[in-house]
Amino acid sequence: KAGVTQTPRYLIKTRGQQVTLSCSPISGHRSVSWYQQTPGQGLQFLFEYFSETQRNKGNFPGRFSGRQFSNSRSEMNVSTLELGDSALYLCASSGGQGEQKLFFGSGTQLSVL
Amino acid sequence: AQSVAQPEDQVNVAEGNPLTVKCTYSVSGNPYLFWYVQYPNRGLQFLLKYITGDNLVKGSYGFEAEFNKSQTSFHLKKPSALVSDSALYFCAVRDVAAGNKLTFGGGTRVLVKP
Repeated sequence: KAGVTQTPRYLIKTRGQQVTLSCSPISGHRSVSWYQQTPGQGLQFLFEYFSETQRNKGNFPGRFSGRQFSNSRSEMNVSTLELGDSALYLCASSGGQGEQKLFFGSGTQLSVL
Repeated sequence: AQSVAQPEDQVNVAEGNPLTVKCTYSVSGNPYLFWYVQYPNRGLQFLLKYITGDNLVKGSYGFEAEFNKSQTSFHLKKPSALVSDSALYFCAVRDVAAGNKLTFGGGTRVLVKP
């Protein structure tokens, strides 16, 4: 089975722009969650989607949004980028909930200039 | 609210020596506990999990972890460290009632010297 695929691998944007990141989960996985990783804040939960519905949301401003499609692929969008949005954005998929382990992609490294 | 603490930013150990990475947690109900490892420029890889049952959990690459409910700890251990174990290690807890949301500790960088 192919692993979790995130595209693009690297992105450079300027302040005020918007960006869309893509995540393709492992085949058959219906849960996709997103995390932001920064040196200062560590790993922080953004949101989780399950069967096209947002199931959980972290403490991020409304500029951060996401969605999931019927094939379980997910996108996250960040509007009006700020310098502090520079981070590694990780997507993870899971076959279910609760005790299921997460499978992570390699991430999208976003740099905001 | 759930939380995880990894008190050491970095652990240095000589190859062949035992490795321990500490983790304590706080959660309102029964915890689901996980350890993940991150190699440079990569995502996180699952090492092991504790859900219920035996307090000693064995995982990938020779790692194990011991769940201690009274001390609310879930320390990661390996009897004999390898240079290739050098990486960033994250402890995480999942609140059973919060779906797949994981709360991670700040991470511990492990450096195994030859």
